[in-house]
Amino acid sequence: QLQESGSQLVKPSQSLSLTCAVSGFSVTSGGYCWSWIRQAPGKGLEWIGYIYDSDSSYYNPSLMSRVTISVDRSKNQFSLKLSSVTAADTAVYYCARGVMGPTYYYYMDVWGKGTTVIVSS
Amino acid sequence: EIVMTQSPATLSASPGEKVTLACRASQSVSTNLAWYQQKPGQAPRLLIYGVSTRATGIPARFSGSGSGTAFTLTISSLQSEDVAVYYCQQYDNWPPWMFGQGTKVEIK
Repeated sequence: QLQESGSQLVKPSQSLSLTCAVSGFSVTSGGYCWSWIRQAPGKGLEWIGYIYDSDSSYYNPSLMSRVTISVDRSKNQFSLKLSSVTAADTAVYYCARGVMGPTYYYYMDVWGKGTTVIVSS
Repeated sequence: EIVMTQSPATLSASPGEKVTLACRASQSVSTNLAWYQQKPGQAPRLLIYGVSTRATGIPARFSGSGSGTAFTLTISSLQSEDVAVYYCQQYDNWPPWMFGQGTKVEIK
């Protein structure tokens, strides 16, 4: 199970912070990555980035300069920080677990329910 | 980056009808292609990974096929509970992982 929590209303130019609590499995388990995806109102899915091995990460180039994903092993959770937000960052944010498949590439098999973040003054 | 293009944008079919959704990649993604189902107000759910492997608990009426750049998701007998938006996603070449823009499936 994955459960998102965090900032729901953020002012423009500030930072958005979200946490994904993981239950039923460990964020330190091998063969998994921990990802964030977002969906603007009425739009499709946009991958934000993922972290694996607790400290290795990949980010969407379109967001890379503003995104940080981190893992908190003690709390079995991972987090997203997005800086300098604008109205374009208003979206439902999902966390997801990526599992390494038979081709040794990750695909996302478990998703959180999502949390809505609104950027507005 | 790899661009994923889905067609049609919207599909309307009768219950029991066979429906086919298409997904095309701008370059080969090998077999690293997944399909997700998103029902209204819900999070996406994994349907298919590795082009054709159904995820746990997914009914057999859902099947995937294709290779390289052209892929299809088939629902062999459309049910009312299949009303959703379906997304394909490549996980072969990153960053970024890219999703298609989605196909909305409706019941006539």
